[in-house]
Amino acid sequence: AQSVTQLDSHVSVSEGTPVLLRCNYSSSYSPSLFWYVQHPNKGLQLLLKYTSAATLVKGINGFEAEFKKSETSFHLTKPSAHMSDAAEYFCVVSSFSGNTGKLIFGQGTTLQVKP
Amino acid sequence: NAGVTQTPKFQVLKTGQSMTLQCAQDMNHNSMYWYRQDPGMGLRLIYYSASEGTTDKGEVPNGYNVSRLNKREFSLRLESAAPSQTSVYFCASLSQSYSNQPQHFGDGTRLSIL
Repeated sequence: AQSVTQLDSHVSVSEGTPVLLRCNYSSSYSPSLFWYVQHPNKGLQLLLKYTSAATLVKGINGFEAEFKKSETSFHLTKPSAHMSDAAEYFCVVSSFSGNTGKLIFGQGTTLQVKP
Repeated sequence: NAGVTQTPKFQVLKTGQSMTLQCAQDMNHNSMYWYRQDPGMGLRLIYYSASEGTTDKGEVPNGYNVSRLNKREFSLRLESAAPSQTSVYFCASLSQSYSNQPQHFGDGTRLSIL
């Protein structure tokens, strides 16, 4: 069975410093992985996706993530945080049963950016 | 460029009332999904429709019913609302259920049950 664990429920950084949001996954086959961002009272927006191409994936707004099969990790990073990055972030893995795909969500990480 | 549209955006119900949440997508996607979001629990799948004419239970289907009205529309019904169903509900769509592409989400319906 597929599962995903976000290792931090809350991360706080200062503006201009690096961001690291950690995600580990469990999958019995080569997974598709996604990071979504949710700003307050908004829907979910796709940041980036990994679908078995390049292991370093670049997304929107300067975010990137590296797929590490040996560590079963897909951590999200950004070199320099901006105030507008304050939001909730979800790591997500695709799960397939037969020919039906579903998404398995992590519990979410709240990113706080301090001025 | 509407994408996935959910109505209403906010709703307050009394325990025992019924309600239908509406969802429509204009991307010609085959698959549609309903999730609920509760604090600290991420999103959990309630029901999904892999294609027009089919619906299946997800992780937390109890207390809900769904209708795939046509390819565009997928509604979620609460027959007798309970306080435990207070949540934010998201609808999503995907081109094909077996695709490894990301799902597209609506902005959510914030539902409070008193």
